[in-house]
Formats: sequence, structure tokens, C-alpha cells
Amino acid sequence: NAGVTQTPKFRILKIGQSMTLQCTQDMNHNYMYWYRQDPGMGLKLIYYSVGAGITDKGEVPNGYNVSRSTTEDFPLRLELAAPSQTSVYFCASSYWGTGGEDTQYFGPGTRLTVL
Amino acid sequence: RKEVEQDPGPFNVPEGATVAFNCTYSNSASQSFFWYRQDCRKEPKLLMSVYSSGNEDGRFTAQLNRASQYISLLIRDSKLSDSATYLCVVTSGGSQGNLIFGKGTKLSVKP
Repeated sequence: NAGVTQTPKFRILKIGQSMTLQCTQDMNHNYMYWYRQDPGMGLKLIYYSVGAGITDKGEVPNGYNVSRSTTEDFPLRLELAAPSQTSVYFCASSYWGTGGEDTQYFGPGTRLTVL
Repeated sequence: RKEVEQDPGPFNVPEGATVAFNCTYSNSASQSFFWYRQDCRKEPKLLMSVYSSGNEDGRFTAQLNRASQYISLLIRDSKLSDSATYLCVVTSGGSQGNLIFGKGTKLSVKP
């Protein structure tokens, strides 16, 4: 199993550009998440999904969009990049069953700089 | 009050030292508690879950006090490889899938 994979690893954007951060998991997890981590700060939840076709906002959703057309993929879209979106973005996945949530597994992260 | 607060650190300790990390959380409805470890420029990885009865995994011991809304992590006989940032994480209470992360406490173990 590759676990959770993210692409790209690094990206520099100009203000106003758009991009999609890709996230794929091969563990058949039903839940997937997007977090951002600013320097010296804790992770903040952007969006999450409880299954294909279902997404919901987290703590800091403004400026982002997501979709979940398959169990495996959970891309994050930035439409109009702003310097405030400079951060490290982590995708994560987990399995929620009747016993609650199993461990969240994180991807290696995407380092995004907006200039 | 911040949702999850941790010691600001950093902690600089010699090999073999015992280190204690403290964490408090504000939401009394939180149900699950974790310690994650994050190496420099890497993703967080689960170190251990934290249970009311306390749990131990080798040199690591985690404790939970629900009444005080307090979580702790103790590392005994610290190794150079323990150098990392330790994140206290709690569920947001009521919302499935919402983990609240503390800012983390950085640990440097020196020879």
C-alpha cells in the first residue's frame, strides 16, 4: 500500500492563479481531510469528506473548494491564490466504522508559496 | 481559551532524560485524544491514543484527566531519535472527523 499520496510536493503560484492539489489513498478509507499548517501553528481543517459525493467545511474553508467523486481521490482546488494561502497542505484519511475512527494517516504534504 | 493548548517549548534535554509534555483542551464534549509526532518538514504520525485509564507503550506513557481536561505524555530514557515536535490532538466533540490540533511542543534531545 502506498498509503496517502499527494502531488505536487512543492509549488509556487502567482497571486490570482489557480491550482489543484491532488490527494489519493489506497486504503479504502471512507473519511478524507485537507489541513493547512502555517509555520509554528497547529493544523487547521479546511474541508473533509465522509464518503464519495459528500463533503463538508472545516474551520478555514474560504478560498478553497473540494470534490469527492471516488473513494480514493479528494482534490483541493484554489481558485484565486492569495499570499495568505502560503502554507503546507496535508491530506489525510481514516476509516470510521461502528467502533469509531481509526487512526488518521497523513500524506507527505504540499508546500505552496503564493507570491 | 484556545481549544487545545500545549507547553510552548522548545524542550532541550540530554539523552536519557525524562520529558513531560502537558496539554489542556477546552471542549468538555471531546471524546478522543491523541499524541502525534511530527518530524521536521514531515507529516504528522500517530504516536499513541490516550485513554482515561492511562496507557503505556515502551518508554512512552500517556494520561488523560477528563475532569481537569488535561492530557500528558511522558517520555522516559529519551533518545536522539525522539527529537521531533509532539502534537496534542483532540476530537472537536459532536462533529465526526474534526480533529483539533495543538501547536505542538518541539523536543530536541542532545548527546
